[in-house]
Amino acid sequence: AQTVTQSQPEMSVQEAETVTLSCTYDTSESDYYLFWYKQPPSRQMILVIRQEAYKQQNATENRFSVNFQKAAKSFSLKISDSQLGDAAMYFCAYRRWAGNTPLVFGKGTRLSVIA
Amino acid sequence: GAGVSQSPRYKVAKRGQDVALRCDPISGHVSLFWYQQALGQGPEFLTYFQNEAQLDKSGLPSDRFFAERPEGSVSTLKIQRTQQEDSAVYLCASSRPFQDASTDTQYFGPGTRLTVL
Repeated sequence: AQTVTQSQPEMSVQEAETVTLSCTYDTSESDYYLFWYKQPPSRQMILVIRQEAYKQQNATENRFSVNFQKAAKSFSLKISDSQLGDAAMYFCAYRRWAGNTPLVFGKGTRLSVIA
Repeated sequence: GAGVSQSPRYKVAKRGQDVALRCDPISGHVSLFWYQQALGQGPEFLTYFQNEAQLDKSGLPSDRFFAERPEGSVSTLKIQRTQQEDSAVYLCASSRPFQDASTDTQYFGPGTRLTVL
């Protein structure tokens, strides 16, 4: 079974600075998807960024980018120019490639942004 | 609507009561997932529908949990004889697979927070 580990329960960052959230996963499959979701206090899970495992190029979405290291099974999220609105729980998630399959989530990292 | 909606947003039940949680997926989304999120944890998969067919219910924790989607749109998650350990946020997500089913993205609703006293 696949597992996702987020080793940082809490992180904080100064406004306008950069922060990196860590995620490692375990799978025996070669093709899969990885995601970062943001969950603010409103509980709505919002997709931040996704990465296909077959792509060597790291995904980027505006201020958000990932460092995907397939051999090390590592998938970290970098948030640049942090804003107060970035404060939330961040979840790393894995999904198998084949079919319409469920997400496997880590336990999350709570990010605080300090003004 | 524009997004996935869930109702009620909050539900308080006495132990032993039955509850029903509703999910309205994004229009046109054929796939629907239910997840359970305990306090301080990430969501965990409960069950999955493709249209009205329940294709995977391997995550349902006991036979007290039952889900249905009779017309392939709205889904209801029912919990019978609720227990305190059922207290959690229940999230619904929907997706619309393209020709390649691997490219779908799951869009989540705001969840229902269930508290069992």
